[in-house]
Amino acid sequence: DVKVTQSSRYLVKRTGEKVFLECVQDMDHENMFWYRQDPGLGLRLIYFSYDVKMKEKGDIPEGYSVSREKKERFSLILESASTNQTSMYLCASSPGPGKRDSPLHFGNGTRLTVT
Amino acid sequence: GQNIDQPTEMTATEGAIVQINCTYQTSGFNGLFWYQQHAGEAPTFLSYNVLDGLEEKGRFSSFLSRSKGYSYLLLKELQMKDSASYLCAVRDLPRSARQLTFGSGTQLTVLP
Repeated sequence: DVKVTQSSRYLVKRTGEKVFLECVQDMDHENMFWYRQDPGLGLRLIYFSYDVKMKEKGDIPEGYSVSREKKERFSLILESASTNQTSMYLCASSPGPGKRDSPLHFGNGTRLTVT
Repeated sequence: GQNIDQPTEMTATEGAIVQINCTYQTSGFNGLFWYQQHAGEAPTFLSYNVLDGLEEKGRFSSFLSRSKGYSYLLLKELQMKDSASYLCAVRDLPRSARQLTFGSGTQLTVLP
């Protein structure tokens, strides 16, 4: 089974802090994603990456950046955390193009609270 | 733009059948996914439809009509453990690395 592991289940940070959320997948997937999930808004794509050192903005990239130095690891960075970034963050991975029916595999999520 | 609509909440009784609808308006269409998400857990894949018709997997079935921009997830013989949020997601571009646009989810409560 594919395993997507997020480094922290719960995080509490202060406004203005730099925050790193780490995600590792063990299935050699090309694609990796960061979503945030908020009540009534569903899953919204922040950033995604289809290859090492490649990144693309999703629907709500403002206030976030990402890093993909190795294929298995995709990091989400909050440069200066704000209270409106309090949310559940979900990392996901999937195989590369040509496998269109392959679903996303999600990590268990990181619930971030910014005070 | 992308628009995916699902009911916010549904309630059903253990042993019954429930149908969760999803309508979508997207610039293209290359597949529709259903995911199940229990409270505090990651979404898990349930089904995939790309052609019109019904796909059956045990107690769960999913239907697609591309001309109507419509899908439903059918859950039979409901069990208490089926209480969860059900997410509809559409892939709009072929071979899209961007993958999926998600609906807001339908929270299903199964009562004894």
